[in-house]
Amino acid sequence: QQQVKQSPQSLIVQKGGISIINCAYENTAFDYFPWYQQFPGKGPALLIAIRPDVSEKKEGRFTISFNKSAKQFSLHIMDSQPGDSATYFCAARASGTYKYIFGTGTRLKVLA
Amino acid sequence: DAMVIQNPRYQVTQFGKPVTLSCSQTLNHNVMYWYQQKSSQAPKLLFHYYDKDFNNEADTPDNFQSRRPNTSFCFLDIRSPGLGDAAMYLCATSRDRWGEQFFGPGTRLTVL
Repeated sequence: QQQVKQSPQSLIVQKGGISIINCAYENTAFDYFPWYQQFPGKGPALLIAIRPDVSEKKEGRFTISFNKSAKQFSLHIMDSQPGDSATYFCAARASGTYKYIFGTGTRLKVLA
Repeated sequence: DAMVIQNPRYQVTQFGKPVTLSCSQTLNHNVMYWYQQKSSQAPKLLFHYYDKDFNNEADTPDNFQSRRPNTSFCFLDIRSPGLGDAAMYLCATSRDRWGEQFFGPGTRLTVL
């Protein structure tokens, strides 16, 4: 069964700190790994994404680290800000399909 | 601005009373998706259209139907809503299988 396991379920970080959210998958037939940010009452918005042939991708304060052999990928938010407080979903796209398998989400709260 | 629009943002219906949710897009994307997101859970794909080709997920209940009369619009019909169908319904689009998914703001459905 295709699954993406996400942890932690919730995270509290001080302003300026590093937020780290982890995801693990079982099925190797995934070809694209996006992270989505969702604010209350809004739809998810793509934050950053990576393909499995790359081990790291950085965009501003957001970095994805990808470990293909361990089937794990993580989101690092550097210098976390209160405006980053949201729910974050990792996802994996099944190769050859339109289907994204989402993780269960991490509710991040950044304290001012 | 090009975007994904969902109407209404909030919908209240009675148990068993049919309801239709609407999604429109100005992105001219080929693919449109409907997701169900229950409280504190990950979005779950119900079905998607690639142009006029309809693709139903195996575990999507028969109670859920969809129509895409043209490129811009897609509708989600719930024929006989049950209490368990109360959720946020998200519409998303992508240019093609390789493209980023753009989500609308969602319609929150309440079933009384």
